[in-house]
Amino acid sequence: GAVVSQHPSRVICKSGTSVKIECRSLDFQATTMFWYRQFPKQSLMLMATSNEGSKATYEQGVEKDKFLINHASLTLSTLTVTSAHPEDSSFYICSATGTVGEKLFFGSGTQLSVL
Amino acid sequence: QQQVKQSPQSLIVQKGGISIINCAYENTAFDYFPWYQQFPGKGPALLIAIRPDVSEKKEGRFTISFNKSAKQFSLHIMDSQPGDSATYFCAASKGNFNKFYFGSGTKLNVKP
Repeated sequence: GAVVSQHPSRVICKSGTSVKIECRSLDFQATTMFWYRQFPKQSLMLMATSNEGSKATYEQGVEKDKFLINHASLTLSTLTVTSAHPEDSSFYICSATGTVGEKLFFGSGTQLSVL
Repeated sequence: QQQVKQSPQSLIVQKGGISIINCAYENTAFDYFPWYQQFPGKGPALLIAIRPDVSEKKEGRFTISFNKSAKQFSLHIMDSQPGDSATYFCAASKGNFNKFYFGSGTKLNVKP
């Protein structure tokens, strides 16, 4: 199947710093990418949807100035958690769809721990 | 309002048994229903998916049963193996793939 690469897999940072997470589609063009947040033993919570070249659409309650999403190319989207705080600690997952037919593929996730 | 309701929350099955996970949805505009498998610390992986024009789809040991009138669909794992132990999510989407709605997840434990 199609591959979505997400990096880093784990990051630990100090409170107040910014963290960037990358999501790449390796063998297809990702016209749409989704960013999710997942708390332990819970389902995926959609944070935002981004289409290549357009501004991301954020879900209600998600601070767009805190979670900056950039989808500048058909193979790369980034999520930057700005001024991270301990409550931002979570598992972040990207997913992508596009020139892979009617399917949605996920990255391997990033575990963010803010000290 | 939860668009997709999934049950049970957890499931224990003996090796070789059948695992059954159920989902129900409300929006009749949904026309794509995938199932995802997630291992701890990993992203979900697409397992199998179905569209409402068929009532059943089988891929290996995994089968989706779809009941359009009841707005329900289920995942059946035949001959369940310990390696199937994972969390399973159902989802639903409209044709434009702009948004996916996920169930709450089912943690499956297959006992050897």
